[in-house]
Amino acid sequence: EPEVTQTPSHQVTQMGQEVILRCVPISNHLYFYWYRQILGQKVEFLVSFYNNEISEKSEIFDDQFSVERPDGSNFTLKIRSTKLEDSAMYFCASRDSPGTGEETQYFGPGTRLLVL
Amino acid sequence: QKEVEQNSGPLSVPEGAIASLNCTYSDRVSQSFFWYRQYSGKSPELIMSIYSNGDKEDGRFTAQLNKASQYVSLLIRDSQPSDSATYLCAVNLWGGYQKVTFGTGTKLQVIP
Repeated sequence: EPEVTQTPSHQVTQMGQEVILRCVPISNHLYFYWYRQILGQKVEFLVSFYNNEISEKSEIFDDQFSVERPDGSNFTLKIRSTKLEDSAMYFCASRDSPGTGEETQYFGPGTRLLVL
Repeated sequence: QKEVEQNSGPLSVPEGAIASLNCTYSDRVSQSFFWYRQYSGKSPELIMSIYSNGDKEDGRFTAQLNKASQYVSLLIRDSQPSDSATYLCAVNLWGGYQKVTFGTGTKLQVIP
């Protein structure tokens, strides 16, 4: 069964450093998302991406964040200068195109980011 | 006002019983509704999706949607200890490719 994959599974970084979180969405999916979940809190939307551009972003997704689809398979989230409060589990998700009757977003296993 | 609201629990049920999980949402234009299961430290795993009013059954799981009341529920029959997890209600507020908004989740404990 196709699945979303994410690397690394864990990332520890120093405050102020840049991190890049990587995702490989399901191959025929066209819509991509990043969510995060701070420990003990709910899953929060960060950004959605379609046709090589951001389609929606939340207030969390400020200038320190960026997303990119550098090739036909990878989807990345970059945090330019990490803060302590960026420590969270980051989930990538993807979904099929509309009209297929399948609207579910499928989640990857997550990257646990710890900023020290 | 919270967009998706769930009782955080924990909801404790004995093994073999029916677990009933509830969720309300605030935006009437919501179109797609999902129940995800999340084990501690893991990613959300889809249990059920429902788009139309009424019931939808899949094995031991039944999702119920009432758009007039802005209410969606999940019933788990014959609950098993392995069902112990946090159940996340999620709503696609605008349809299409837009974001999914999650509730805080209800922690379910199935007691052997």
